Amino acid sequence: ETGVTQSPTHLIKTRGQQVTLRCSSQSGHNTVSWYQQALGQGPQFIFQYYREEENGRGNFPPRFSGLQFPNYSSELNVNALELDDSALYLCASSLDRAAVDTQYFGPGTRLTVL
Amino acid sequence: DQQVKQNSPSLSVQEGRISILNCDYTNSMFDYFLWYKKYPAEGPTFLISISSIKDKNEDGRFTVFLNKSAKHLSLHIVPSQPGDSAVYFCAATSTSGTYKYIFGTGTRLKVLA
Repeated sequence: ETGVTQSPTHLIKTRGQQVTLRCSSQSGHNTVSWYQQALGQGPQFIFQYYREEENGRGNFPPRFSGLQFPNYSSELNVNALELDDSALYLCASSLDRAAVDTQYFGPGTRLTVL
Repeated sequence: DQQVKQNSPSLSVQEGRISILNCDYTNSMFDYFLWYKKYPAEGPTFLISISSIKDKNEDGRFTVFLNKSAKHLSLHIVPSQPGDSAVYFCAATSTSGTYKYIFGTGTRLKVLA
């Protein structure tokens, strides 16, 4: 069992709204990464946080932002929601930020934007 | 620009036979590769990984082969079991980069009993 949890499981929002998704990493894991998985696609890297600071970002606009807290929890915030933001959002935690550290994924939050 | 490609969206294999899932990549900077398995309503689960300094890594029924010159890796499952039915993603990363994984689009494996 990976021990990574995400909330909520499902969420429905309307275009233009803001949303906050939450992730609780495995205890002791200093690194959390967020991914967006659209239907029929593989997960796409949004950004990574290491010890509460952003440690790399994918091709996502600034309206995607994040926070990481000392208690191994983190948030993904998305402002001005667009229809294309509908996807499964996955967080993954790892012991350290090294690429060879296996990332353990949570079950995801399914976001639907109407 | 799809840097990691899994060209077979689906694969069906008889129980007990070998399953071979393929993955191609284009970025020469990638030097670490992983396979993840995903069941419905669950997050991806790590299966096996391989560093570019090796050409084979084995873990029980799962073996990953890496051909650097062809920029190709494959996952072999022997023998295949019905419980292996899932979507399989390959992922690649550069250990000198920002530690992000680049995922392929996945291959849905169905093992028939």
